[in-house]
Formats: sequence, C-alpha cells, structure tokens
Amino acid sequence: GENVEQHPSTLSVQEGDSAVIKCTYSDSASNYFPWYKQELGKRPQLIIDIRSNVGEKKDQRIAVTLNKTAKHFSLHITETQPEDSAVYFCAASDHQAGTALIFGKGTTLSVSS
Amino acid sequence: GAVVSQHPSRVICKSGTSVKIECRSLDFQATTMFWYRQFPKQSLMLMATSNEGSKATYEQGVEKDKFLINHASLTLSTLTVTSAHPEDSSFYICSAHRGGAPYEQYFGPGTRLTVT
Repeated sequence: GENVEQHPSTLSVQEGDSAVIKCTYSDSASNYFPWYKQELGKRPQLIIDIRSNVGEKKDQRIAVTLNKTAKHFSLHITETQPEDSAVYFCAASDHQAGTALIFGKGTTLSVSS
Repeated sequence: GAVVSQHPSRVICKSGTSVKIECRSLDFQATTMFWYRQFPKQSLMLMATSNEGSKATYEQGVEKDKFLINHASLTLSTLTVTSAHPEDSSFYICSAHRGGAPYEQYFGPGTRLTVT
C-alpha cells in the first residue's frame, strides 16, 4: 500500500519568511496530492492540491510542486504570517479509483512575529 | 455544496459500553466513505474503507469486530466502537468520496470520543 513520508516534523520561521514542507510517496499509482491545514480539534482543511498531470500549482502565497519521477511533492508558503501557524499534512491517493487518502505524519509550523 | 456531517461531535462513555458515530453526506451521494482515527499530536490514520451495500475493508491492525462499520445508504455510514476502552479515546473523522468528477473527498467535522 501507499506510504507517505513528511519532513520536517516541526518548522519555525519568522514572519515574512518562506516555509517549505516536503513529502515523498511510494505508490506510483497515486495521482492526487492534497495539502491540508488542521487546527486543534477541527477537521483538516484543504489548502491546495495537485494532480499528477501537472508539475506545479500556485494559489496566492501557497504553491505545490510535484516530481513524479522522484515521487516527491512539496508545499511552499511565501510571506508567512502568524495565522499560518498550524499543523500541515500532505496526503496521496489514486483519486479516480476512489482510494483513501494516506497522510504524512504532519508538520507543525510556527510563525513568529 | 459537498457537506459532510458527523454526529455526535463529542461523546463520553464508560469502559465496556458501545458508541455509534454517524457520518452523513448532506448534499451528494457518497459511493465510498472512509474512517480515520487521530490520536493527539498524530496524523490521521485510515481505519477502514466503506462502500455502500458491501462489507467494509479494514486496514491492518484494526479489529473489525471492535469497530463495526455499516454503510447502508449512499448518504450514511456508521462506525460503532464496541466494548470501548480508554485506549479507544481518540478523534474519529469520516470522509466521503463523491465517486465522480471532480473526485473530491470531503471530511466530516470529527467526533471526539472519551472513554472513562
């Protein structure tokens, strides 16, 4: 089955700096790679996703890149703000086949002002 | 659209009792629903995959006789934790897969289970 590794587990940055979180996956059948932000006691909130037919996607301060050959994908947050502080999870699935999302272990991002 | 609800949001039960958690897709039909468990400061761990009208598929290490899953309709799946123990205390989250484009999965708000 799919296995998703996520690094780093914790990340501290100064407000305005960039933050990068990296994930690798094992199953070449995976074709959907979402990133979630989760606040304590709440459901994961989808912040950006990428499908295997594209290499990069951007939405304002957030971008995701995908390298299918190397089986890794990354989340980039620019101009970080204190409200970006949260736990971020990457995930992978074979979306069209309807398989479950398999999550990385999460990264706790702390943005200090 | 694409709203998934869970009930209850919080439940406290005594050790040895059973608890049922409901997951509903409110405005779409979910061909597949997934159940996850999340312990404090950990990731979401897939427990089982549930397809409407068929038996759930459990992940390795998840006791199917302890965590009973029923997916009786395209909008409702239930998870029953039987003979609950304190170590079952966790955050249980369901997600529903629409089954067609855009192939999204939508998460319920989660259920906080505390077993005393």
